[in-house]
Amino acid sequence: DVKVTQSSRYLVKRTGEKVFLECVQDMDHENMFWYRQDPGLGLRLIYFSYDVKMKEKGDIPEGYSVSREKKERFSLILESASTNQTSMYLCASSLGTGRLGQFFGPGTRLTVL
Amino acid sequence: QKEVEQDPGPLSVPEGAIVSLNCTYSNSAFQYFMWYRQYSRKGPELLMYTYSSGNKEDGRFTAQVDKSSKYISLFIRDSQPSDSATYLCAIPGGGTSYGKLTFGQGTILTVHP
Repeated sequence: DVKVTQSSRYLVKRTGEKVFLECVQDMDHENMFWYRQDPGLGLRLIYFSYDVKMKEKGDIPEGYSVSREKKERFSLILESASTNQTSMYLCASSLGTGRLGQFFGPGTRLTVL
Repeated sequence: QKEVEQDPGPLSVPEGAIVSLNCTYSNSAFQYFMWYRQYSRKGPELLMYTYSSGNKEDGRFTAQVDKSSKYISLFIRDSQPSDSATYLCAIPGGGTSYGKLTFGQGTILTVHP
C-alpha cells in the first residue's frame, strides 16, 4: 500500500523561528510536492521536485525553501516563520507525468504565534 | 479565468440522496480527470480517475466527463453520512508538468442522517 508520511501532525512555533517540515514516501516516486491549504483558498502549490536535488517554484514560494537530498524525502523550510504561514501543509508524491494521480500525506497543522 | 472552477458549496443533503458535484475547466487539451475526497483534518485521497469522455462507475460513485462542454461530474448514489467530506476535482497538466495537478477549490458535502 502506498504511503506518504509527514513528520508532525500538529506543530506550534513562534514568529521568527526556523521551521522544518519533513515528508517521506515509500513508493519510489520521482515527483514530490508541498501544498498549503487554507479555508476558501483551496490547495496552493508551494514547491515541487521532479528528481533528487531538483526543485521548481510553485504558485506561492515566497517565504519558503525546500530540500531534496534523497529520492524518498522532501523537506519544506520556513526560514523565519510568520503568522500568515499558519496553515495546513500537505505533502504529496507521484510517478512521472502524474496521470495516475498524486498521493498525499496526512498533513501538518502549523500554528505560528 | 481559473483553469479549473468548482463551486465550494457547502452542500447539505439527506441520507440516501443522489449527490452531484461538478467542475468546469478551460483547457481543451486536458485528457485525464480525477476526483479526490478529503475528510476533515486528513490529506486528500484519490477517489476516482477517468480518461477522456464518458462515464466510469465504482460502486456508488460515478465519474462523468463531457469534453465538448469542458465539464466533469461526480455522482454519489444512496449517499451516506460517511460520505461527508470535501470533494476536489483535479486535472494533470501533462507534457513536462512533472506530475503537477490543477485542483478545483473543493466542494464541502454534508450528508445528514
